[in-house]
Amino acid sequence: GENVEQHPSTLSVQEGDSAVIKCTYSDSASNYFPWYKQELGKRPQLIIDIRSNVGEKKDQRIAVTLNKTAKHFSLHITETQPEDSAVYFCAATLSGGSYIPTFGRGTSLIVHP
Amino acid sequence: NAGVTQTPKFRVLKTGQSMTLLCAQDMNHEYMYWYRQDPGMGLRLIHYSVGEGTTAKGEVPDGYNVSRLKKQNFLLGLESAAPSQTSVYFCASSPWDGELFFGEGSRLTVL
Repeated sequence: GENVEQHPSTLSVQEGDSAVIKCTYSDSASNYFPWYKQELGKRPQLIIDIRSNVGEKKDQRIAVTLNKTAKHFSLHITETQPEDSAVYFCAATLSGGSYIPTFGRGTSLIVHP
Repeated sequence: NAGVTQTPKFRVLKTGQSMTLLCAQDMNHEYMYWYRQDPGMGLRLIHYSVGEGTTAKGEVPDGYNVSRLKKQNFLLGLESAAPSQTSVYFCASSPWDGELFFGEGSRLTVL
């Protein structure tokens, strides 16, 4: 099955800095890579996703890049704000058959004012 | 449109007791999932369903059973609760190839 490694487990930045979270996956058949944000005590919610036919996707201050050859994808947050503080999860999903995502263990992002 | 609703939101059990968590979705999604979330362990898949009447084991299925008799409902059962099952449980649903929509979570404590 798929295996997703996520780094770092904790990331501390100053407000206004950029933050980068990286994930690697094991199965080259994976073709859908979502990122979820979970604020303290809340449910995870999708913030951005990318499919394997795209190398990069942006949405305002967040972006995701995908390198299929190296089997890794990254979340980039620019101009971080205190409200970006949360746990971020990456996931990879195998195409074909059952469509079951495998999650990374999460990155706790702390943005200091 | 309520999305994904979990009940109960909090529960305290004694070791050996049984209980059922109910998940309901109103988005007509085929796929439904039960995850548990423990500190530092991320979201671990317990069981999932790809359609009404189907269920399958995930990464950590031991000690849990599930049923999906109706498309909109996915039940998670603990037959004999153990302290190791103390966790936050999230239900989610999705269309075949898209975003997971999570419920608010159910915090279970087993004493």
